[in-house]
Amino acid sequence: QKEVEQDPGPLSVPEGAIVSLNCTYSNSAFQYFMWYRQYSRKGPELLMYTYSSGNKEDGRFTAQVDKSSKYISLFIRDSQPSDSATYLCAMSHEYNFNKFYFGSGTKLNVKP
Amino acid sequence: GAVVSQHPSRVICKSGTSVKIECRSLDFQATTMFWYRQFPKQSLMLMATSNEGSKATYEQGVEKDKFLINHASLTLSTLTVTSAHPEDSSFYICSAPQRSGNSYNEQFFGPGTRLTVL
Repeated sequence: QKEVEQDPGPLSVPEGAIVSLNCTYSNSAFQYFMWYRQYSRKGPELLMYTYSSGNKEDGRFTAQVDKSSKYISLFIRDSQPSDSATYLCAMSHEYNFNKFYFGSGTKLNVKP
Repeated sequence: GAVVSQHPSRVICKSGTSVKIECRSLDFQATTMFWYRQFPKQSLMLMATSNEGSKATYEQGVEKDKFLINHASLTLSTLTVTSAHPEDSSFYICSAPQRSGNSYNEQFFGPGTRLTVL
């Protein structure tokens, strides 16, 4: 079983839709939860990070962590064609923060 | 944010040759850098942790003699794929952490190097 599971998609939505991206994980020791966006043939760029459980909002993006369910989500409101990319979740432990465990990524296509 | 560069961005080589990939932190120092590989439609898999001035730490299943890592300065780590074979073809990405305003260390990723071994 992979430590981090993520539906690879692809996910296709019309412009303006609300997008929900999710990851599940098995290791209860994860404390840092990140969402990265990766455009084709580029390195990932950080969108949001959350420490432990809770919600975090940044503009059109909201990250949620439910540690009891080992489930994290990223919501994108008013999605734009420029949001089309692969979204990767990543997690790490408190004691070895720099070692990231990535999901496989969900490919999102926002149609104009 | 901080910038991490990689060179080359793309390399095609014959089987049996060695290929060196550079990872540089352009505007900050990084005592630690990380090397990942990514196969198409798959996740990033951590290969090794590069430590400035000391030996790299490899993840289980990664051959240290195959993937040589040198972290000679606080801004440069190199990954050399020795005697490359077609199965080594992949997208190699490095990252370097930098402390942000709070206690969080943000990882900055390079743009990646696509290696194709013929």
